[in-house]
Amino acid sequence: DVKVTQSSRYLVKRTGEKVFLECVQDMDHENMFWYRQDPGLGLRLIYFSYDVKMKEKGDIPEGYSVSREKKERFSLILESASTNQTSMYLCASSVPPPPDTQYFGPGTRLTVL
Amino acid sequence: DAKTTQPNSMESNEEEPVHLPCNHSTISGTDYIHWYRQLPSQGPEYVIHGLTSNVNNRMASLAIAEDRKSSTLILHRATLRDAAVYYCILTSSGYALNFGKGTSLLVTP
Repeated sequence: DVKVTQSSRYLVKRTGEKVFLECVQDMDHENMFWYRQDPGLGLRLIYFSYDVKMKEKGDIPEGYSVSREKKERFSLILESASTNQTSMYLCASSVPPPPDTQYFGPGTRLTVL
Repeated sequence: DAKTTQPNSMESNEEEPVHLPCNHSTISGTDYIHWYRQLPSQGPEYVIHGLTSNVNNRMASLAIAEDRKSSTLILHRATLRDAAVYYCILTSSGYALNFGKGTSLLVTP
């Protein structure tokens, strides 16, 4: 079975802190994704990566950056956390070509105070 | 992206079959039909996917209409652990998944 793990299930940070969210997948997938999920807004794509050191902006990249130094690991960085970044963060991975099924991690519930 | 329409909620008794419908009348020829489910405070879990033919796996079955404008996820014997929000999604080119509102399935003992 595909396994995607995220570094924390719950995280509480203060406004202005730099926050690192880590995601690791064990299936040698090329593609990795970071989403956030908020009530009433569904899933929104922040960034994705289709190869090591490659990244593409999603729909809401502002206030975030990413790093992919190794194929299995994709990090999401909040440069200066703000209260409007309180959310559920979801990492996913997939392997092209279509159907390109995405497999998700358990999620990190981030609260910024 | 092509859109899907699902009922907001459904209810089932434990150990009975459940048929979760999804309409996708604007589906294109290259769109795959994916189903995911999500429990509260957890990440979405892949359930099944298909293109044109019906599909079975250990979790569920997917019945796809001949014109591909609708599909049905079938849980053969619902358990309490199947209570979740079920999402029907079309995927083709592009990466972002459009998760809509899904169907909230309630399973009662």
